[in-house]
Amino acid sequence: AQSVTQLDSQVPVFEEAPVELRCNYSSSVSVYLFWYVQYPNQGLQLLLKYLSGSTLVKGINGFEAEFNKSQTSFHLRKPSVHISDTAEYFCAVRDLYNTDKLIFGTGTRLQVFP
Amino acid sequence: EAGVAQSPRYKIIEKRQSVAFWCNPISGHATLYWYQQILGQGPKLLIQFQNNGVVDDSQLPKDRFSAERLKGVDSTLKIQPAKLEDSAVYLCASSLQGAGETQYFGPGTRLLVL
Repeated sequence: AQSVTQLDSQVPVFEEAPVELRCNYSSSVSVYLFWYVQYPNQGLQLLLKYLSGSTLVKGINGFEAEFNKSQTSFHLRKPSVHISDTAEYFCAVRDLYNTDKLIFGTGTRLQVFP
Repeated sequence: EAGVAQSPRYKIIEKRQSVAFWCNPISGHATLYWYQQILGQGPKLLIQFQNNGVVDDSQLPKDRFSAERLKGVDSTLKIQPAKLEDSAVYLCASSLQGAGETQYFGPGTRLLVL
């Protein structure tokens, strides 16, 4: 069965510093990949998604992610974070051949300090 | 456009009581999802509807959970009787038909079972 691993449960970073949130998924022939953000007491909001084409995907709020098929990774990056980026970030995968279900990772808490 | 609406936002009940959650998806979205998000974990799909029909309910504890989507629009999720381990946030999401379509999430209902 498809699974998603977010190795870092928490990532502390200073404001204006770059950040990378790591995501790995179990191998599959064809997948769609997503990053969602969850602010306190709110639902999830889509940051970006990879369906096909260019492996570098740009999303909202200055975030981008790179799909690496050989390493089965989809790491999220931002060159300069703001206090307002403090939130929980979830990586998710949809395995198109085994199930149409969206599988989420356990999340990474990004804490931005002034 | 209005987002996914959920009610109530918060609910506290005692174990063995029953509870119901309501979801109104984005207008025109054929697919509706109910997720359970336990503290510290990513959302887990409970049930997926395509219009009126159930697409996937493999992870729904059917001895105590039930869900319906009458007329292919609003949906209710019920728990009867509730257990302590049902304490979680219940998220509703909707999307247009298609595996690559973005799922839009509501704010969730936070349930505490005492």
